[in-house]
Amino acid sequence: KQEVTQIPAALSVPEGENLVLNCSFTDSAIYNLQWFRQDPGKGLTSLLLIQSSQREQTSGRLNASLDKSSGRSTLYIAASQPGDSATYLCAVMDSNYQLIWGAGTKLIIKP
Amino acid sequence: DAGVTQSPTHLIKTRGQQVTLRCSPKSGHDTVSWYQQALGQGPQFIFQYYEEEERQRGNFPDRFSGHQFPNYSSELNVNALLLGDSALYLCASSPTVQETQYFGPGTRLLVL
Repeated sequence: KQEVTQIPAALSVPEGENLVLNCSFTDSAIYNLQWFRQDPGKGLTSLLLIQSSQREQTSGRLNASLDKSSGRSTLYIAASQPGDSATYLCAVMDSNYQLIWGAGTKLIIKP
Repeated sequence: DAGVTQSPTHLIKTRGQQVTLRCSPKSGHDTVSWYQQALGQGPQFIFQYYEEEERQRGNFPDRFSGHQFPNYSSELNVNALLLGDSALYLCASSPTVQETQYFGPGTRLLVL
């Protein structure tokens, strides 16, 4: 059974710092991995999608990497801003095309 | 393009009642998935609809049922509500089952 874990559960850093969020999964048989952002009381916004054959994806200040063999992904945020404050969720799509989610990392960027 | 829309935004029910939540997918999307997100947790997959049929189902009891209409919109029905059904219910649509899912804002259900 696929399980997804995100560490840390919460993170608070000063504005301007670079930071890394971690995601691990137990079964390497994934179709893709996605990172989402969720603002309080809101739905989910897709940030980056990495296909199983890819190693990384970049969008602006965000970079996500995937190491399928070790069951790990990282989301790198450069030059953090207060507007980046949100909960970041990692989800893997398994071979049945179901999304299996981590519990998220709550990020607070202090001005 | 309106994106994925859900109604209502908030709902309060009492134990034992029944509830229906609605979702309209993004234009051009025919696959709709439903998720339950309890406070402080990641979403849990409930089921997925494609071509008006339930194609995949997560580990949820039969009290949770759904429907997809010819225009691809979808409903989630929950019978005999329990306190533990209180959560944010998210709907997502995608062009195909393996492509990126786009999420609606969710319906927050509170069961008293």
